[in-house]
Order: sequence, then structure tokens, then C-alpha cells
Amino acid sequence: AQSVTQLDSHVSVSEGTPVLLRCNYSSSYSPSLFWYVQHPNKGLQLLLKYTSAATLVKGINGFEAEFKKSETSFHLTKPSAHMSDAAEYFCVVSDGSNFGNEKLTFGTGTRLTIIP
Amino acid sequence: NAGVTQTPKFRILKIGQSMTLQCTQDMNHNYMYWYRQDPGMGLKLIYYSVGAGITDKGEVPNGYNVSRSTTEDFPLRLELAAPSQTSVYFCASSYGGRAGEKLFFGSGTQLSVL
Repeated sequence: AQSVTQLDSHVSVSEGTPVLLRCNYSSSYSPSLFWYVQHPNKGLQLLLKYTSAATLVKGINGFEAEFKKSETSFHLTKPSAHMSDAAEYFCVVSDGSNFGNEKLTFGTGTRLTIIP
Repeated sequence: NAGVTQTPKFRILKIGQSMTLQCTQDMNHNYMYWYRQDPGMGLKLIYYSVGAGITDKGEVPNGYNVSRSTTEDFPLRLELAAPSQTSVYFCASSYGGRAGEKLFFGSGTQLSVL
């Protein structure tokens, strides 16, 4: 069984300040972990993914996430928020199956608001 | 480059009505998926397809049907709409279905059943 918990449903930061979106996971396997972003009226877009290589993963638009097995966490960070970062962010854990049988478990999402 | 296109964007149904949510992709992806997102919840997999003519149930398939006659199209059918099917529906696709592969999502269909 696997699960993912996004600890904050809504985060507000001022433009130019750091962003931290928190995600904890539970998995019986060596998990793959993802962050997806959804801008208003758009589909979800992959930000970054961890698949058992380097524990610090860099994604698009200056975001990065660190896989911490001891803390079962995969928090998303960005040093300096931009107005265009305002969106909904989803943390996702995978059971690692192939051939379409992969089970993805999505978090409930964190809405990021950027204050001008 | 269109990617994954869903229609309609919004729809209101009466209880017992039927409708089809359309999904098409122009990336020649083999794997396609339908998810639903309820308020305050994560996405749940309804059905998926690994290629034309092949479909299988996901986590929450009851009340839905799908077909995959072409690589490009993967429509989702609601036969007897119920209030419990009020949700936002997302179609997605991927090339090979390998673990950890990037999914491409459509922009969603917001459905209300009243």
C-alpha cells in the first residue's frame, strides 16, 4: 500500500521569497516520486521526478526537491518565487510497475499564491 | 502542438442522462488514462488503455465505460449520470507505460450532475 500527504492545502509567499511545499509519502517499495503543477485552466505538467538516482532532483522553472528516505519526505522548493509560479501543485508516488499497470497515488494538492 | 485535448470543458447533466467525454492526443502515445478529481482529493484512475482495442479498469471504474478504437482517441462514457459523478475529469497519455514515465494531461472537463 502507498499513500502521499501534502501537509499544506494552501501556501502564500511574497514574490522573491523562498517557496516550500511539503510532501510526505508511505510506500512498501522503493518509490518513484513526482511533482506535477497545474496552472489555472491548464492540464497537469510534470515539474520533476525522483527514480532512485540522485536524491536532489532539479526540475523546470528553478524548482527542486530532495528525497529523504529517513524522513519519508519529498519537499518541493524554489529559492525565489515568481508571479508565474501561482498554481496548484501535486505530489505523486508510484509503485514502480510497468506496462500501464503503474499505480500512481496523487496528493490532494497545494495551492500556491504569490503576493506581489 | 496540441498535445492532449479534452472536450467539453464544462457540462451540467441531469440525473440519469448520459454523455461522452472526448479525449484525443496527437503525440502517437500508446498509453492513455482517465482520472477524476473530487474536491479536496487527489486524482483517482478510472480506466486506462495500453493501445488501440485494449482497455482495463482502474481504481474507480463503476458507472463508466471506455473504448479505444484508434491510437488518438479515448472517449469516456457515462451511461446513467449520478450526483456522485460530479467531478473534474482529466485525460492523460504517455508513450510507453514504463514506471515513472511522464504523463501528458489535458486541461480537464468539469462535470456537474444535478
